[in-house]
Amino acid sequence: DSGVTQTPKHLITATGQRVTLRCSPRSGDLSVYWYQQSLDQGLQFLIQYYNGEERAKGNILERFSAQQFPDLHSELNLSSLELGDSALYFCASSAALGGASTDTQYFGPGTRLTVL
Amino acid sequence: DQQVKQNSPSLSVQEGRISILNCDYTNSMFDYFLWYKKYPAEGPTFLISISSIKDKNEDGRFTVFLNKSAKHLSLHIVPSQPGDSAVYFCAATEDYTGNQFYFGTGTSLTVIP
Repeated sequence: DSGVTQTPKHLITATGQRVTLRCSPRSGDLSVYWYQQSLDQGLQFLIQYYNGEERAKGNILERFSAQQFPDLHSELNLSSLELGDSALYFCASSAALGGASTDTQYFGPGTRLTVL
Repeated sequence: DQQVKQNSPSLSVQEGRISILNCDYTNSMFDYFLWYKKYPAEGPTFLISISSIKDKNEDGRFTVFLNKSAKHLSLHIVPSQPGDSAVYFCAATEDYTGNQFYFGTGTSLTVIP
């Protein structure tokens, strides 16, 4: 158990809809990262928040947005959903800003989103 | 554009033998590399890492080798155990304090008892 929790585990919705994925980082971790893993793809970095502020942005679509709340949990909002958005969405947390050598990212179990 | 590539989707190895998982990258600015292991229904877990100032890092049965000139890294598992059966992802980041990890597509390792 990494200490990172994600809800829900599974989500099935229709095209055009909007969903919210939730992530609670490990206790004490200030950074939250969101990744998307589509079929036969590696994990694609979407966005990072540190202590409530956006720190780094990857290949995140404009239809997607995220935020980190004062209690450090994070939500990833996906809107105008398309079939191609079906994927596993992982959240990871780390203690600080992301110095890779000393700041391991701990991953949650993921949310599997299916868009029909 | 996949900057980190794992060209072997799967690998089967007999228990006790060596498992070698390979990873190639295209971005010469990458200077820190990691391997993650993933079991079904779980998130990836960190396994081992290496910085570009080294060419080898060892942790128990796991050794990562880095060949910067070839832009290639490999993970060796010796001896392989059935519990090592999982999907292995390599990842790279562009600077020592990188926030953005670039992951490969993973190699599914099966260790046969």
